[in-house]
Amino acid sequence: DTEVTQTPKHLVMGMTNKKSLKCEQHMGHRAMYWYKQKAKKPPELMFVYSYEKLSINESVPSRFSPECPNSSLLNLHLHALQPEDSALYLCASSPPGAGVAKNIQYFGAGTRLSVL
Amino acid sequence: KNQVEQSPQSLIILEGKNCTLQCNYTVSPFSNLRWYKQDTGRGPVSLTIMTFSENTKSNGRYTATLDADTKQSSLHITASQLSDSASYICVVSVISGTYKYIFGTGTRLKVLA
Repeated sequence: DTEVTQTPKHLVMGMTNKKSLKCEQHMGHRAMYWYKQKAKKPPELMFVYSYEKLSINESVPSRFSPECPNSSLLNLHLHALQPEDSALYLCASSPPGAGVAKNIQYFGAGTRLSVL
Repeated sequence: KNQVEQSPQSLIILEGKNCTLQCNYTVSPFSNLRWYKQDTGRGPVSLTIMTFSENTKSNGRYTATLDADTKQSSLHITASQLSDSASYICVVSVISGTYKYIFGTGTRLKVLA
C-alpha cells in the first residue's frame, strides 16, 4: 500500500459548522503533514506531526485543530471557519529515519473544502 | 529570505515536443531539491529528489538537473504527452533545527495535440 487516503474528497460547510478532515496511511510513515492550497498557488504548510507529536505549527488560526491519534491517522478538526478558508487541503506523509536524501513526501489527493 | 522562483509561470507546447522548466532558489542551508507534478485537483506526486552532491536525476521522460553553485535546477521533459499537462512544483528543503519545505509557485504546462 503506497497511498495516502484523504476523506472526504469534497466538503461544503457553513461558518457555524464543526467538521473534520481525515488522512490515513499504512506505509509505516511517522511524519505526517497538513497543507492548505489555494487555486493556482503552491501548497502552504500548516502542521507537521512527527511520531504522533506536533512538531511544527505554522501560526495557523485556532479554528484549525490537528490531531494525530495514532501513527496511521491524522485528523484536521474545523470550527467556525471563514469563506477565505475555502481551499484544497492536502495531507502528506514521509518515511521515518530516511535521512536527508530520502525524505520524500507522499501526498493524498486532497479534500476540496468550500465554506459558505 | 528563503525563496524558490520558477519560470515560466505557464507554458503551452505541442505533443511530442521537449520542454525545460526552471527553478532558482535562495535557500540556506540547502538540504535537497524535489520536483513534483500536480494534476488539477489532485495532490502532488514526486518526480525526482536531489541532494547537494547530485547534479542530474532521471525518471522516465523527466530529467532534473541541479547546479548547487548557481542555485538553479531544471526539469526537462522529453517527447511530451497530453498526460504531462499539469503544474510542476519545485520544492527546496532547508535544515535549520527542523525541516522546512520551501515551495515554488509552479509552472503550469499545457500539452496540445
